[in-house]
Amino acid sequence: DIQMTQSPSSLSVSIGDRVTITCRASQVINNYLAWFQQKPGKAPKPLIYAASSLHSGVPSRFSGSGSGTDFTLTISSLQPEDFATYYCQQYYVYPLAFGQGTRLAIK
Amino acid sequence: QITLEESGPTLVKPTQTLTLTCTFSGFSLKSRRVGVGWIRQPPGKALEWLALIYWDNEKRYSPSLKSRLFITKDTSKNQVVLTMTNMDPVDTGTYFCVHSDRLPPYLAYWGQGTLVTVSS
Repeated sequence: DIQMTQSPSSLSVSIGDRVTITCRASQVINNYLAWFQQKPGKAPKPLIYAASSLHSGVPSRFSGSGSGTDFTLTISSLQPEDFATYYCQQYYVYPLAFGQGTRLAIK
Repeated sequence: QITLEESGPTLVKPTQTLTLTCTFSGFSLKSRRVGVGWIRQPPGKALEWLALIYWDNEKRYSPSLKSRLFITKDTSKNQVVLTMTNMDPVDTGTYFCVHSDRLPPYLAYWGQGTLVTVSS
């Protein structure tokens, strides 16, 4: 099975900060990597697919990059509504696998 | 507009079987490459993929839970049903229904989730 490891597990940030979250897969996943945003009590919302493609309706301050086994989610200028937990997920092979999540908190 | 809605019991007893239904609209599970599946999330923990069923009735399961899971579809009712046997308190969590329209399966649409508590 492929293991997905996110870092950091939590991050204290301020409005306007540039935020970078990393995700490492235990095997090459050919860019079949998605990012999701989840707020408390809500379903995850898709942000990025295929490592760098923006899901419809997602603000352009979100971007994804990476290849092979190492991937990054970047928020260029953090907005109040961006405080949430972020998950990466590989969908290259079964079983589909999620990272453990990165929680953004207000500094 | 694609929507998915989960339904089922909110409370089950240990050793019982859980049956969850996902009722969807806005797409057909007869269309090529379309799949519907389930993800769960224990309180305060990460997401875990459980199962997927595709337009051609191909089924995929989490290896760690495969012996306890069964997924079926009813295209006439636009429903997908997940059963999980021998429920345990560690199975407590929110269960989400998800949709993909491509292969490999990008989970682009999610239901709002249903909280299932396992307790005697």
